[in-house]
Amino acid sequence: GAVVSQHPSWVICKSGTSVKIECRSLDFQATTMFWYRQFPKQSLMLMATSNEGSKATYEQGVEKDKFLINHASLTLSTLTVTSAHPEDSSFYICSARNPTVNTEAFFGQGTRLTVV
Amino acid sequence: AQSVTQLGSHVSVSEGALVLLRCNYSSSVPPYLFWYVQYPNQGLQLLLKYTSAATLVKGINGFEAEFKKSETSFHLTKPSAHMSDAAEYFCAVGGAGGTSYGKLTFGQGTILTVHP
Repeated sequence: GAVVSQHPSWVICKSGTSVKIECRSLDFQATTMFWYRQFPKQSLMLMATSNEGSKATYEQGVEKDKFLINHASLTLSTLTVTSAHPEDSSFYICSARNPTVNTEAFFGQGTRLTVV
Repeated sequence: AQSVTQLGSHVSVSEGALVLLRCNYSSSVPPYLFWYVQYPNQGLQLLLKYTSAATLVKGINGFEAEFKKSETSFHLTKPSAHMSDAAEYFCAVGGAGGTSYGKLTFGQGTILTVHP
């Protein structure tokens, strides 16, 4: 299989606080994971590519100091939204490459972040 | 560079009617192409994928898509719509293997409504 789990599924936080979202590959090792953001009624936009043991590669326009990505193991990448504001409210989805299936990445179920 | 255009942000069909969701892509490298379905507040479910094998791809739930290189299209079809098909559908393009696989560019999405 190729199961990717995201936690939490939803989170509500106060403006100014930080929130951590976890993305785990449960039955395979993922050297590369991807983080996407989906605003309401919009498409998914790639935020960054997370590489195990090295710095993440951020897409143009994504603030790396605000969206901290850590990929410290082959099965876990985390996205921390620092000093969250209401405009950061969104659906965040991760995906992970399975090296044995080199045609696609596998998606987590997403995390709904609401900043109040 | 890669991009995807989904023609029609909303498509409405009657139950039992043909479903046709249009997708055109642009890619400077041989593409891998994907269709995903998303139900409200849920993650992405892969319907089908084209990875340079057969140009007519069959997926889950009776969906299929045909890769037409000359038209740079990858339209999604289903002969007979069910009420349960009502959802949002995303076409996506990714690189074909190497270091680029798994990194996707999504279309804007098409919301499919199925009427009784």
